Amino acid sequence: EVQLVESGGGLVQPGGSLRLSCEVSGFTFRSYWMHWVRQAPGKGLVWVSRINSDGSRTGYADSVKGRFTMSRDNAKNMVYLQMNSLRVEDTAIYYCVRDLERYIFDYWGQGTLITVSS
Amino acid sequence: DIQMTQSPSSLSASVGDRVTIACQASQIISTFVNWYQQKPGKAPKLLIHGASRLQSGVPPRFSGSGSGTDFTLTISGLQREDFATYFCQQSYNTLGTFGQGTKVEIK
Repeated sequence: EVQLVESGGGLVQPGGSLRLSCEVSGFTFRSYWMHWVRQAPGKGLVWVSRINSDGSRTGYADSVKGRFTMSRDNAKNMVYLQMNSLRVEDTAIYYCVRDLERYIFDYWGQGTLITVSS
Repeated sequence: DIQMTQSPSSLSASVGDRVTIACQASQIISTFVNWYQQKPGKAPKLLIHGASRLQSGVPPRFSGSGSGTDFTLTISGLQREDFATYFCQQSYNTLGTFGQGTKVEIK
């Protein structure tokens, strides 16, 4: 069974940092691209970042470029999102997502809530 | 950037109804459209990819169609468990833009 389990969410002040983790199981992790997608409370879905299967290439939405860094550890079946210089508008549920192919998101974690507030 | 516009933003329907949700892209994107279902407090679930390809395990009452800029998700014979919010998404470029969602409510 494919499973993606996020952790690391919580309350952080504007300007602060947080690191999200996603532990995956049930599939050959090193073969798949992975993404983070976020959803502000009561709002729609927004793609945040992606990483290729060996971790050599990443991509980011303009809204987080230069502040967020996505990485992975294929030996540990883990994906990470380092979030720096957090803003109030980064408040959202962050989902770890598997890429079936070409940005088709076939498996999602349960999400972890980040609240940026003073 | 590619914008994805869904209509309607919400609808009321009864069990057994045929429901159609539209999604329009701001430019031609071939068949690079996917559809997701999201229930309250849950993660989205992939229903359809490549505009019309049913994801494994998804009931056949769900179907998708369209190409170019105009796409449709159809639920033939709405079931109680189908009341949810539905999102389209383009996978034509690396921004993976989503539509704003269509909430399907019980009439």
